[in-house]
Amino acid sequence: KAGVTQTPRYLIKTRGQQVTLSCSPISGHRSVSWYQQTPGQGLQFLFEYFSETQRNKGNFPGRFSGRQFSNSRSEMNVSTLELGDSALYLCASSLGAGAYNEQFFGPGTRLTVL
Amino acid sequence: GENVEQHPSTLSVQEGDSAVIKCTYSDSASNYFPWYKQELGKRPQLIIDIRSNVGEKKDQRIAVTLNKTAKHFSLHITETQPEDSAVYFCAASYSGNTPLVFGKGTRLSVIA
Repeated sequence: KAGVTQTPRYLIKTRGQQVTLSCSPISGHRSVSWYQQTPGQGLQFLFEYFSETQRNKGNFPGRFSGRQFSNSRSEMNVSTLELGDSALYLCASSLGAGAYNEQFFGPGTRLTVL
Repeated sequence: GENVEQHPSTLSVQEGDSAVIKCTYSDSASNYFPWYKQELGKRPQLIIDIRSNVGEKKDQRIAVTLNKTAKHFSLHITETQPEDSAVYFCAASYSGNTPLVFGKGTRLSVIA
């Protein structure tokens, strides 16, 4: 069974631009969560989607948004990029919604904002 | 909301020694505590988890203990090997419907 995939793997953007990241979950998984990973802050939860509905949202500004499609693939968008948005963005899929389900992480998208 | 503190941030041990990583959580309602391992350049992977109805869980050389009264839980790795070198993250959730809150991670180095 193929693992979670994320595209692109690397991105370089400049301040003020916007970016869209994509996540394809493991086949059969209906839940996708997104995390921001930085050296100083560890893994910070962005949002969780299940069956195209956002179930939970982390403490991030409205510039961060996401969505999930009927095939469970998910995208996240960051508008008006800031230098502090530079990070590794990880998505994770699970069979069901909520924390009790084991999360399988993708390789991440490394975003650099210049 | 929930807050998870993890200590130490870095840990070096000699091969064969034991390693202990501790986490404290703030919400007494939290009842699910997984640990993830992230090797350099790789994705995090679940290595063990524990629910609040048990005090200890073991899986070969790793174990997790939970003290609900003190609101802390620990990861124990015995007979450490170089392949145990990684960043370890603890996490907590107070219901199946709330997201995991992660600690900031512990970088474990096992010195051969």
